[in-house]
Amino acid sequence: EDKVVQSPLSLVVHEGDTVTLNCSYEVTNFRSLLWYKQEKKAPTFLFMLTSSGIEKKSGRLSSILDKKELFSILNITATQTGDSAVYLCAVVPAGGTSYGKLTFGQGTILTVHP
Amino acid sequence: NAGVTQTPKFQVLKTGQSMTLQCAQDMNHNSMYWYRQDPGMGLRLIYYSASEGTTDKGEVPNGYNVSRLNKREFSLRLESAAPSQTSVYFCASSDPGGARRDTQYFGPGTRLTVL
Repeated sequence: EDKVVQSPLSLVVHEGDTVTLNCSYEVTNFRSLLWYKQEKKAPTFLFMLTSSGIEKKSGRLSSILDKKELFSILNITATQTGDSAVYLCAVVPAGGTSYGKLTFGQGTILTVHP
Repeated sequence: NAGVTQTPKFQVLKTGQSMTLQCAQDMNHNSMYWYRQDPGMGLRLIYYSASEGTTDKGEVPNGYNVSRLNKREFSLRLESAAPSQTSVYFCASSDPGGARRDTQYFGPGTRLTVL
């Protein structure tokens, strides 16, 4: 059974801090890993990673994948109160009978205080 | 372009009642999904539809049925609601043939309480 574990489960920081969120996984046939940000409502897409060592960047957010050690990290630099959210990690299987069956981690609740 | 829409936004049911959650997408996506989200458990897949006319079970299908009415619409039905089905339900869609083929786009969710 595919498994995704995120850590920490919750994190409280102050504006300007840098945070690192972790996602480790076990999946039979790996294809990609997705990061989402969830505020009050729907999860919104951040990154998709398929290859090791390729860092994805979007402003103050960046993410990297290590397919050998089976983990990914999401970094947020110079945090702002608007970064407060639940950050979800999900793995995508390679296909066949597992097609479309994303496995999500529990999420990391990030709270950024002014 | 509304993306993925869901109705209703909130619903309260009594044990044993039935209801249907509606989902529609206007992105011309082939694949659609239903998830439930419970505290501390992330999102868990209930059912999905890889393409119009096909449906398949996810991780937690018991107590639910689905209908892929056409390419745009995918509904989730609770035939006899139970308190264990109290949750937030999300619909999502994806385009398996697109550049972001694995990316699923989510609707705003339905918060369901079963008393």
